[in-house]
Amino acid sequence: ETGVTQSPTHLIKTRGQQVTLRCSSQSGHNTVSWYQQALGQGPQFIFQYYREEENGRGNFPPRFSGLQFPNYSSELNVNALELDDSALYLCASSLDEREETQYFGPGTRLLVL
Amino acid sequence: SQELEQSPQSLIVQEGKNLTINCTSSKTLYGLYWYKQKYGEGLIFLMMLQKGGEEKSHEKITAKLDEKKQQSSLHITASQPSHAGIYLCGADYTGNQFYFGTGTSLTVIP
Repeated sequence: ETGVTQSPTHLIKTRGQQVTLRCSSQSGHNTVSWYQQALGQGPQFIFQYYREEENGRGNFPPRFSGLQFPNYSSELNVNALELDDSALYLCASSLDEREETQYFGPGTRLLVL
Repeated sequence: SQELEQSPQSLIVQEGKNLTINCTSSKTLYGLYWYKQKYGEGLIFLMMLQKGGEEKSHEKITAKLDEKKQQSSLHITASQPSHAGIYLCGADYTGNQFYFGTGTSLTVIP
């Protein structure tokens, strides 16, 4: 148990729809990162939030956006879903932006039809 | 391009056998992390290496970061079915962007 939870566990959407995935970090962890993991591949960094502001971004288009709230929860929003967005989405929390030990949630599996 | 390459991509071993997984970086590593992932689940932190030549052990798993800090190896002694899963190395080169390796899938046959 890492103390990081994600919801929902599974989700099915159709192409063009929008989706919001949620993450609850460990209390006191000011940094949250989101990753996309396609089947058979390592996780790819989407972005990181520190104290409610985006602090770094990977190679993902603007239709991937996020929010971080003061209560250590966060959201990943994906607009105009594409078939290739089907993946396991992982969030990870850490104490601060320089703390590299991340604690991962169990993930949300998204299927886009 | 892939900053971190792992080998082998997959491994099937008999219970009790030793095995090694390698992680090679295209750039100098300032910290190297090893994670384990059970299929379709979140990642579990195993250990972190920072200094060249550093070696850490946890139960039957030993990881080492080479002197030049561009390669790390993960060694499992006397493998058990509980060791099965996907092993991922990870590194943060820029301070706020974490990269993962390609992953090594381990199957242990009882």
